[in-house]
Amino acid sequence: SQQGEEDPQALSIQEGENATMNCSYKTSINNLQWYRQNSGRGLVHLILIRSNEREKHSGRLRVTLDTSKKSSSLLITASRAADTASYFCARGEGSQGNLIFGKGTKLSVKP
Amino acid sequence: DSGVTQTPKHLITATGQRVTLRCSPRSGDLSVYWYQQSLDQGLQFLIHYYNGEERAKGNILERFSAQQFPDLHSELNLSSLELGDSALYFCASSAETYPGNTIYFGEGSWLTVV
Repeated sequence: SQQGEEDPQALSIQEGENATMNCSYKTSINNLQWYRQNSGRGLVHLILIRSNEREKHSGRLRVTLDTSKKSSSLLITASRAADTASYFCARGEGSQGNLIFGKGTKLSVKP
Repeated sequence: DSGVTQTPKHLITATGQRVTLRCSPRSGDLSVYWYQQSLDQGLQFLIHYYNGEERAKGNILERFSAQQFPDLHSELNLSSLELGDSALYFCASSAETYPGNTIYFGEGSWLTVV
């Protein structure tokens, strides 16, 4: 499969805790983008990290990229019930900009 | 709101029928992408258009076709529908076609084939 692997597949935590989701891939990438999807809804773009970047922040989100290990992680700090969603990493390959998605991590944040 | 508009939001149709899904990209975006999301296959890239021209093809069946019009809106045509085509179809857009552009997704069109 061309899809990357995300782990864990499902994660359940309490409000206020941090959530870490990991994404691994096998081929070279030029960028990696993280998305959130609430059940049955559209994909909301969270962060884009380019292959020459190692870390990016956006509010409570922190994304790291290790191209030598072909892996990325998304950290959500001080999680809230509203963070409950599926989180996907999508890698950009080739020259045309289209994204290849992983299977996602289903995050449940309990109040 | 991502600015990408998809219609219809929900569609129920019978096997063997044909449907057209429509997408309006964000204002100014030249690239349009179509994705299919199903429980068993996950999010699959179907096809990419840039300024009216096909740029990349993914796992798109021969029964499916797409086009991007001069006003940059796009349509995905699904024909000879099968039960397995039931899925959430996403359109996405970005400003350019080269890697590293943020790609914004619409809310999707739910297709149910009965």
